[in-house]
Amino acid sequence: GESVGLHLPTLSVQEGDNSIINCAYSNSASDYFIWYKQESGKGPQFIIDIRSNMDKRQGQRVTVLLNKTVKHLSLQIAATQPGDSAVYFCAETRDGTSYGKLTFGQGTILTVHP
Amino acid sequence: NAGVTQTPKFQVLKTGQSMTLQCAQDMNHEYMSWYRQDPGMGLRLIHYSVGAGITDQGEVPNGYNVSRSTTEDFPLRLLSAAPSQTSVYFCASRNPGLSSGANVLTFGAGSRLTVL
Repeated sequence: GESVGLHLPTLSVQEGDNSIINCAYSNSASDYFIWYKQESGKGPQFIIDIRSNMDKRQGQRVTVLLNKTVKHLSLQIAATQPGDSAVYFCAETRDGTSYGKLTFGQGTILTVHP
Repeated sequence: NAGVTQTPKFQVLKTGQSMTLQCAQDMNHEYMSWYRQDPGMGLRLIHYSVGAGITDQGEVPNGYNVSRSTTEDFPLRLLSAAPSQTSVYFCASRNPGLSSGANVLTFGAGSRLTVL
């Protein structure tokens, strides 16, 4: 079946650097994408989402970029902090028919060194 | 506490035993779902429900049963536990709709299950 995947399973950065986490998706019918953050021992927490009619969306210290041509999205974290250390998942769905059914990527482990 | 509550947080079973993972949400969400998370893999959908009395299978439903008698509760039953069901289980909920953020699932803290 079609799935969402990540290029890099681990990412280590220094505190204050910018982080970029990448995600490739294969389902061309996907029209809604979400980034989740999962800290150790906790459930995934929503970070930011983007619809397929947009190519960029910004939140607080985070930006999601969507390139539908190559089926790629990325999560940029500005001025990364130790508290950003976690596993980051991208997820995709077809908004109108999803019923809460998300397809998740395998995750990227972000480690921020002080 | 508002949100999705899962119990138990940890459970150890022997092969062949049965048990139920409980999930309750107090946000009046219509949609609820169960995912499992295995090392090195993303979350995979087990079962989901679009409302009381309505359930359907997800990607990996074998070995699990669900029911939805109320809006608030969505228990996941393991009928005869197998070592392959050792995993962390997450329950999630959301409301229907197409507005921005409507697809954002709210997850519980997870239930870690070990089957020996």
